[in-house]
Amino acid sequence: AQSVTQLDSQVPVFEEAPVELRCNYSSSVSVYLFWYVQYPNQGLQLLLKYLSGSTLVKGINGFEAEFNKSQTSFHLRKPSVHISDTAEYFCAVSGKGAQKLVFGQGTRLTINP
Amino acid sequence: GAGVSQSPSNKVTEKGKDVELRCDPISGHTALYWYRQRLGQGLEFLIYFQGNSAPDKSGLPSDRFSAERTGESVSTLTIQRTQQEDSAVYLCASSLLGGTEQFFGPGTRLTVL
Repeated sequence: AQSVTQLDSQVPVFEEAPVELRCNYSSSVSVYLFWYVQYPNQGLQLLLKYLSGSTLVKGINGFEAEFNKSQTSFHLRKPSVHISDTAEYFCAVSGKGAQKLVFGQGTRLTINP
Repeated sequence: GAGVSQSPSNKVTEKGKDVELRCDPISGHTALYWYRQRLGQGLEFLIYFQGNSAPDKSGLPSDRFSAERTGESVSTLTIQRTQQEDSAVYLCASSLLGGTEQFFGPGTRLTVL
């Protein structure tokens, strides 16, 4: 079984500042890792995913995440945020070969001008 | 092309009534998932369909919940004798056979009075 912990329920930052959203996972098997974004009143959209290979994964809208196996983490980063990045961000994990996603509780990113 | 669609977008019902929620996956996607998102929480897996294989029902919270899928197309999630704790957004997702990315619909917001 897998579990995901998003350490921050809310993260307020100023526009053009860097941001890191933290995600730790627990699993007894190898996993795939995902970050999804949910903009206000919209469905979930995939930001990026780690399946294998390079531990630094680049996604859409300038986001990137780094898979750290020893620390069982998959933190999401962006060097400079914009007002349009205001959304809820979800970290998720699935076992390789398994299909269902296990989600974290979500982190609400609020961008202040 | 068309994405995952769900209907209705909103449903208000009285405690004890039955409800049916519908999901139309992306054409050609053999895998279909249902998740539940309670207010302020992450998504919980409910059920997974893959082709003609037996569905993974491990996430269904009680025997009041059931789901069906017609071939590789439409799915219906049924909640019998609804309770107030069933109030949530119900999300459907689909993916290709062996695909790692799930595409989410906009969800159905269920309110049980």
